Amino acid sequence: EDKVVQSPLSLVVHEGDTVTLNCSYEVTNFRSLLWYKQEKKAPTFLFMLTSSGIEKKSGRLSSILDKKELSSILNITATQTGDSAIYLCAVGGNSDYKLSFGAGTTVTVRA
Amino acid sequence: DTGVSQDPRHKITKRGQNVTFRCDPISEHNRLYWYRQTLGQGPEFLTYFQNEAQLEKSRLLSDRFSAERPKGSFSTLEIQRTEQGDSAMYLCASSLAGKQTQYFGPGTRLLVL
Repeated sequence: EDKVVQSPLSLVVHEGDTVTLNCSYEVTNFRSLLWYKQEKKAPTFLFMLTSSGIEKKSGRLSSILDKKELSSILNITATQTGDSAIYLCAVGGNSDYKLSFGAGTTVTVRA
Repeated sequence: DTGVSQDPRHKITKRGQNVTFRCDPISEHNRLYWYRQTLGQGPEFLTYFQNEAQLEKSRLLSDRFSAERPKGSFSTLEIQRTEQGDSAMYLCASSLAGKQTQYFGPGTRLLVL
């Protein structure tokens, strides 16, 4: 069964700090790794990383996939209070329909 | 708004009652997924449809759960004889077939008393 582990479980930072979130996975026939941001509602899609696209960047957020280490990091620079959320990592594996999620990292940004 | 929508957003019910949730996917998406999320955990896959066909069900989906997508558009998830352990957020997502990016709705939060 596919396994996704995120660390840390939670962290608290001050505005302007940089945070790094980790995601490690064990999956049969890896296809993709996705990052989502979840506030008090739906998970919102951030990035998808695949073998052909191992690095993505959007504004202050960036993510890298390390297929050798079976892991990914999500970086948020110059954090703002609006970045406070749960960040979920998911992987797509042998099936082309099912995503397996980690438990998430709760990020709290204090003003 | 052309995103995934779900109704109701919140549901409180008594143990033993039946509940039904609805999901409307993004209009051009032919795949629709149901997930369940409990506090402190990520979403867990329950089932998915391609058009009107239900192609996979997780072993998490007990006999009390049934899902339909009769015309390949909206879907319903019914839970019969609810139990307190059914209390969770039920998330719906949609995608195009063959695409791994799934777009989620706001969820239905169920509380079984």
